[in-house]
Parts: sequence; C-alpha cells; structure tokens
Amino acid sequence: NAGVMQNPRHLVRRRGQEARLRCSPMKGHSHVYWYRQLPEEGLKFMVYLQKENIIDESGMPKERFSAEFPKEGPSILRIQQVVRGDSAAYFCASSLPAGGTEAFFGQGTRLTVV
Amino acid sequence: AQSVTQLDSHVSVSEGTPVLLRCNYSSSYSPSLFWYVQHPNKGLQLLLKYTSAATLVKGINGFEAEFKKSETSFHLTKPSAHMSDAAEYFCVVSEGFQKLVFGTGTRLLVSP
Repeated sequence: NAGVMQNPRHLVRRRGQEARLRCSPMKGHSHVYWYRQLPEEGLKFMVYLQKENIIDESGMPKERFSAEFPKEGPSILRIQQVVRGDSAAYFCASSLPAGGTEAFFGQGTRLTVV
Repeated sequence: AQSVTQLDSHVSVSEGTPVLLRCNYSSSYSPSLFWYVQHPNKGLQLLLKYTSAATLVKGINGFEAEFKKSETSFHLTKPSAHMSDAAEYFCVVSEGFQKLVFGTGTRLLVSP
C-alpha cells in the first residue's frame, strides 16, 4: 500500500504564474487535508476535503487559492497568480473517515516563487 | 480554539543522554495529542499519539510521552539519544475532524 503521494516534489514558478499541487491519498482514504509550512515555522492547516466536498476551508487564503478532491483522481491545490510569499512547503495528509484515526502525510511539495 | 506551545525552539544533547522535548497544550475539551518528527527535506512521521486511553504513551524508536492533565503538558522523552534522532519535532493537538494544530517545532541536535 503506497503512502500519500504528492507531486511534484519541487516546483518553481515565476510571479504571476499558476501552481498546481497534486495529492493522491492512501488507498481507502477518503479524507484529505492540506497544510502549509513556511520557513522556520510549523504547519498551518489550510483545508479539509472529502470526495467532491470541502468540509473546512478556514485556513485557506481568501483569494487565489482553491482546492478540490474530485470523485476520480487526486486532490489538487491550486494557487493562481503566485507571489513570493507563497513560497513554502505544502503537505497533504489523508485519513480514514473514522474520527481519531491517524493522518498520514506525504513528503510535501516545495514551491519556490522567483 | 486549541493550541500547543513548544517551549524550546532548539534542544542539544549528546549521544546516549536523555532527551526531553516540552509541550504544553490548551484545549476546551479532552484533546487528542500527537508528536510528529520531520527529518530534513522529508515528510512527517507520526511518533506517537494520545487519545484518552493510557496517559503514558509509547511510540516508535524508543520515544514516549506522558499526558498530564493537571499540568496541561505532553512532554516527549527518550532515555538515550541516537545520532539518527536529530530532526525537527512537532507537538500537535487535534481540533475536531482531525484538523491538526501544530506547534512551532523543536529542533533536536545530537552531538557525538
């Protein structure tokens, strides 16, 4: 059973471009979470999704950021018109539906905006 | 809202000596608490978790943590540090629906 797969591992974008980050959850996991880690900081919750539904997006910036988890395929975190401040490591985690179960993290995508 | 405070940004120990990484939490109800480890340029790995069962929780790689409600603490310990333990450690509280709230991290340095 492969773990949580994120791609790409590293992504470089120029200011104003779009960044698309992908996350394939562990097999059987229907809950996906996205976190952002700025340099020298802990991870900050961004969004919690189930298949085709956004459950909690309280940590998402109001503009330029969006996330989806379609019925088929990976979850996508999309950042439009990137700025230097978006440079960070973006981690995806997945879990089973039951409460209190462990969330498994991917290795992250390191976004650099130049 | 729940939160965690990691009291030390850096901890330095010698190989073979005990490790203590401190964490205090704030929660309005019975929390789920976790410790994650992050090695350089790697993802996060769960070391251990507390979910209202035994207050002394044993994890992987010889780590353990004790939940102390009276002190609102969940400190991470290991009797004898190994060079491979050098990493960033995060104390985490679960805020419902598995929304995890991370501390700012403690960097553990292990010298020979």
